[in-house]
Amino acid sequence: DTGVSQDPRHKITKRGQNVTFRCDPISEHNRLYWYRQTLGQGPEFLTYFQNEAQLEKSRLLSDRFSAERPKGSFSTLEIQRTEQGDSAMYLCASSLDPPPTGAKTFGSGTRLTVV
Amino acid sequence: QKEVEQNSGPLSVPEGAIASLNCTYSDRGSQSFFWYRQYSGKSPELIMSIYSNGDKEDGRFTAQLNKASQYVSLLIRDSQPSDSATYLCAVLHASGGSYIPTFGRGTSLIVHP
Repeated sequence: DTGVSQDPRHKITKRGQNVTFRCDPISEHNRLYWYRQTLGQGPEFLTYFQNEAQLEKSRLLSDRFSAERPKGSFSTLEIQRTEQGDSAMYLCASSLDPPPTGAKTFGSGTRLTVV
Repeated sequence: QKEVEQNSGPLSVPEGAIASLNCTYSDRGSQSFFWYRQYSGKSPELIMSIYSNGDKEDGRFTAQLNKASQYVSLLIRDSQPSDSATYLCAVLHASGGSYIPTFGRGTSLIVHP
């Protein structure tokens, strides 16, 4: 059990550029979640996968955000045409379901700064 | 919109005291409830889960659930300075056949020596 890995740890990008983040979950975990967290707020749900299927996507999420989990292993989150409001910590979490256990193990996150 | 409400604090308690953290939720159908600890600059760490009404104890931590009142709490006994962190409440609510963990904004706890 090597934990949940996220890459990169930090990303600084210019407004309008595209960015992609990667998450490697715990190998036996079938659920993978993406969250976004800003200072003083709790994690905000973005999307989640059950194996390779994307089962839910937040209605608050614009079309600039897309996520994939090919083959049910690692996942990528892409943000197109970044805006300053996208600056946040992007967290990935994984769990084994059933039973529903929520977001059991979080990665260290990717901190995005849009300048 | 499913909501999870927490007092942002900070809650300040002396070392050795009991810290009581509270959380209310809006979705009456929610079945699973979680507490996370988040140190400054770190990611959340799951510390307790509770699924049934009543109390669940794990070491110095006790989670309490009252579904009728839509209320869940976390008690930390013999608080230590190392317990100083933000405590996040999360509720698993059903959404179109899926279960989505929804977080509160967290309560900042400060344990002073």
